[in-house]
Amino acid sequence: NAGVTQTPKFRVLKTGQSMTLLCAQDMNHEYMYWYRQDPGMGLRLIHYSVGEGTTAKGEVPDGYNVSRLKKQNFLLGLESAAPSQTSVYFCASSYDNARSSYEQYFGPGTRLTVT
Amino acid sequence: AQSVTQLDSQVPVFEEAPVELRCNYSSSVSVYLFWYVQYPNQGLQLLLKYLSGSTLVESINGFEAEFNKSQTSFHLRKPSVHISDTAEYFCAVSDRDRGSQGNLIFGKGTKLSVKP
Repeated sequence: NAGVTQTPKFRVLKTGQSMTLLCAQDMNHEYMYWYRQDPGMGLRLIHYSVGEGTTAKGEVPDGYNVSRLKKQNFLLGLESAAPSQTSVYFCASSYDNARSSYEQYFGPGTRLTVT
Repeated sequence: AQSVTQLDSQVPVFEEAPVELRCNYSSSVSVYLFWYVQYPNQGLQLLLKYLSGSTLVESINGFEAEFNKSQTSFHLRKPSVHISDTAEYFCAVSDRDRGSQGNLIFGKGTKLSVKP
């Protein structure tokens, strides 16, 4: 099993450009999450999904959109990138609570720089 | 609302010395508690968790944490650290009663640096 994979690993964008980050998991997990990690801030939840076709906002959703068209994929979109979105983005997935005991499995991260 | 406070942003320690990484949380409801570890340039991995039962939980690599409800703490300890324990450690909390989606609230992290 590859676990949770993220594409791309690195990206540099100019202000105003758009891009999509792809997260894929091969563990048949129901739940998927997008976090951003900034120095001294820990991880903050952007959006999450509890199943195919469903998404919900997390703590810092502004400027981002997500889609979960397939159970194994969770896409994070930036429509008009801003320097404040420079960060490391982590995707995570888990079974539903009864099966996972809340353990989330993390991808390796995508380092995004917006100039 | 829940919050997690990790009291030390950096902890330098010599190899084979004991270490304690402190974590306090605030919540108006019952919680689950977690420690995650992030090695350089990697994603996070679950180190240990408290869900119920014994308040002392252990990991496979010698770390332990104790849930203290009265002090709302979940400090992480290891009696003798190795160079390979150098990493950033995150404490996290989840609302037990929301029947929730398992959303985690993370602390800001503690960087453990083990020196030879």
